[in-house]
Amino acid sequence: NAGVTQTPKFRILKIGQSMTLQCTQDMNHNYMYWYRQDPGMGLKLIYYSVGAGITDKGEVPNGYNVSRSTTEDFPLRLELAAPSQTSVYFCASRTTGEGNTIYFGEGSWLTVV
Amino acid sequence: GENVEQHPSTLSVQEGDSAVIKCTYSDSASNYFPWYKQELGKRPQLIIDIRSNVGEKKDQRIAVTLNKTAKHFSLHITETQPEDSAVYFCAARGDTGRRALTFGSGTRLQVQP
Repeated sequence: NAGVTQTPKFRILKIGQSMTLQCTQDMNHNYMYWYRQDPGMGLKLIYYSVGAGITDKGEVPNGYNVSRSTTEDFPLRLELAAPSQTSVYFCASRTTGEGNTIYFGEGSWLTVV
Repeated sequence: GENVEQHPSTLSVQEGDSAVIKCTYSDSASNYFPWYKQELGKRPQLIIDIRSNVGEKKDQRIAVTLNKTAKHFSLHITETQPEDSAVYFCAARGDTGRRALTFGSGTRLQVQP
């Protein structure tokens, strides 16, 4: 049971490039999330999904897109990367139900130069 | 949407002293309140959580209290040790709307030996 797996762990992008951060979980969790964490700050929700085929915006969705074609995978797409997207990105998942624990991936460090 | 405020932003204590971190939340529908510890370069790790039907929960040196009327909750760490030094985040979540954790801005705890 690998939990939540994110790739890549580190990436440097040039301004205007695009990329996809991959996230997969093997716990059959319905809920999946993408957060970003800027230096010295808390986590901000980018997008979330309550099940395959269903996605919705969080607090800071601009510049990102997601898809959820399977229960396991929840990729985050960055289009036209900007320096403001330099951050650490965490994918997370949990089961449905009140108070269920959220499981985080190890994070992806992205720098846009 | 939910808004979580956390204080203080930094806290320095002597080894063996107690540390208290406080959070307030805005959405009265929130019913789950976890606390995370994050070490440098690592993902957030759940250290304790409390649900809205409970006023206090304790786990060894760590305790959390919840005041639903005042919409605030606190983390108490007793007999602090140098390995408690980290950034601590509070969070809140309800089971309607986004059903995602909203995080506080974090408290950097430094335990001086």
